[in-house]
Order: sequence, then C-alpha cells, then structure tokens
Amino acid sequence: NAGVTQTPKFQVLKTGQSMTLQCAQDMNHNSMYWYRQDPGMGLRLIYYSASEGTTDKGEVPNGYNVSRLNKREFSLRLESAAPSQTSVYFCASSDIFTSTNEQYFGPGTRLTVT
Amino acid sequence: AQSVAQPEDQVNVAEGNPLTVKCTYSVSGNPYLFWYVQYPNRGLQFLLKYITGDNLVKGSYGFEAEFNKSQTSFHLKKPSALVSDSALYFCAVRTNTNAGKSTFGDGTTLTVKP
Repeated sequence: NAGVTQTPKFQVLKTGQSMTLQCAQDMNHNSMYWYRQDPGMGLRLIYYSASEGTTDKGEVPNGYNVSRLNKREFSLRLESAAPSQTSVYFCASSDIFTSTNEQYFGPGTRLTVT
Repeated sequence: AQSVAQPEDQVNVAEGNPLTVKCTYSVSGNPYLFWYVQYPNRGLQFLLKYITGDNLVKGSYGFEAEFNKSQTSFHLKKPSALVSDSALYFCAVRTNTNAGKSTFGDGTTLTVKP
C-alpha cells in the first residue's frame, strides 16, 4: 500500500515550457486535490476532484489544468510555466463519503521555473 | 466562506514542557477540524480530527486538541513536548457540504529545545 505517489520529485523548467505532474492513490478514495505550498502562505488549493469524472477550480487555478484520468489518477498540467509557479506541489486524496474525512498527502514535487 | 487563523508563526518550548499551538476558524455550518504535521521535505501527515462528539480529541504521538464552539477554536496540545515534535503544524477546516474542500492555516513552526 503506497498511499499517494507523485512524480517527478523535482523539476526545473524554463519560462514558457509545459509539464504534467502525475499523482496516483491506491486507497480507493473518491476525492483528490492539488495544492501548492509557498513559504508563509500555507497550502492553497489549485483544483480538486470530488469524484471520478468531475473537476472544479480551487483558490488559485489560473495557469493550471487538471485531468481526473480514472479513480486512481489525477494529473496537474502547466501549459506555459511562469516564475510565479515556482512552488512545492502536493497531491492529496480523501474519501468524503465515509468517515475517512482526513486527507492523505503525497511527498510533493518541488518545481522551479527560471 | 471558510477560513482558518493560526496566530503564531513560531512556538518555542523546552523539552518536557507542555505545548499549545493555536487555531481559530470561521465557517458556515458545522465544522470538521483537522491538524496535520509536516516534517522537512515531506508531505503533510494527519494528526487528529474533530467531526462530532467529545470536544477533546486524541490523536497520534500523544497530541490532543479541544474543540471550543463558543470561541471557534481548536487548539493543539501535548502535555510533555519532545525534541522530535519539532515540525510545521497546520490546522484545517471544512464542512460536509463543500465536496471535501479544506481550508488550511498558514502553519505554525514548533521548535522544542532540549
């Protein structure tokens, strides 16, 4: 049981390049989330997927797109990276339809845009 | 809208002393409250939660938290701090009507000195 996995762990992009961050969970959770973490700003929700087949914007969606590929996988795409997107990105999952309300987090992807 | 405030960026305590990390929240409806811990270069780990029932909840590693509805607070406590408790702590809130979207505080860095 690996929990939530994310790839890659580190990435350096030039301004304007694109990339996709991958996330997978093996806990059969319905809901998945993408956050970014910046110093002194806590975690900010980028996009979330309450259940397979649905996605919705969070607090800071501009510059990002997501795909809920199946129940296990939820990817985050940066179409044209900007230095303001330098951050640590976390994927999380939970099962809001049961008593498992807490979120389980992946190890994070540290992204630098130059 | 829901929000969380962690009024202290940093809390310093001596090993063996009790610790408190403060959290206040604002939400429409009944809150679901969570504490998470983050160690350096790691994802967040769930510590404990309040959904309903007893106002005092116990969690991992000897931590506990008290839900106070009148003061809209959910402070994290531990009777005797360990050096290994040093980490970044996040409080989070959600309700049962917003598809699992949690709002996180900005985090409090706990340093326990030997």
